[in-house]
Amino acid sequence: AQSVTQLDSQVPVFEEAPVELRCNYSSSVSVYLFWYVQYPNQGLQLLLKYLSGSTLVKSINGFEAEFNKSQTSFHLRKPSVHISDTAEYFCAVSDANAGNNRKLIWGLGTSLAVNP
Amino acid sequence: KAGVTQTPRYLIKTRGQQVTLSCSPISGHRSVSWYQQTPGQGLQFLFEYFSETQRNKGNFPGRFSGRQFSNSRSEMNVSTLELGDSALYLCASSFGGVFANTGELFFGEGSRLTVL
Repeated sequence: AQSVTQLDSQVPVFEEAPVELRCNYSSSVSVYLFWYVQYPNQGLQLLLKYLSGSTLVKSINGFEAEFNKSQTSFHLRKPSVHISDTAEYFCAVSDANAGNNRKLIWGLGTSLAVNP
Repeated sequence: KAGVTQTPRYLIKTRGQQVTLSCSPISGHRSVSWYQQTPGQGLQFLFEYFSETQRNKGNFPGRFSGRQFSNSRSEMNVSTLELGDSALYLCASSFGGVFANTGELFFGEGSRLTVL
């Protein structure tokens, strides 16, 4: 069964520093990959997704993630973080061939704390 | 386009009571999923409904149940509440269907349940 590992539960960084949040998944079958963000006291929002095509995907607020099939990874990066990026980040995977049983498998989340 | 709406946002119950949470999906979405979120366990999948039928189910006891109505609105019910049921309950909707369903979910802000 598919599983998702977010390698860091907490990542503290200083404002304007680069950050990488790591995500690995277990199965090399055809997948869809997602990063969701949860700001304090809110629900989850889709940050970016990989469905097909270019392995580098970008969000409107400067985050990017690269799908690496050989490494079964989908790490999230940002070259310069802001205080407002402080949030919980979740990586999720779904099996592209699962048909009606397609569902998201979630990592446990990475808490990003941006300090001034 | 209105987002996913969950009610109530906050509620306090005592052990042994029951609770019903409501979720109105985005217009046109036929799939509704429910998740339990706690600090130690992350996002735990409860169940998914599609066109009034339960399509997927997580590993929760029978005290947790749900249903979906013909207008795609969904409710979940927890009976005989326990202290450990204290959590943020998140509802998410999606288009559903084999060809439209990439697994991408749209989340509500959640219902925070406290059991005393």
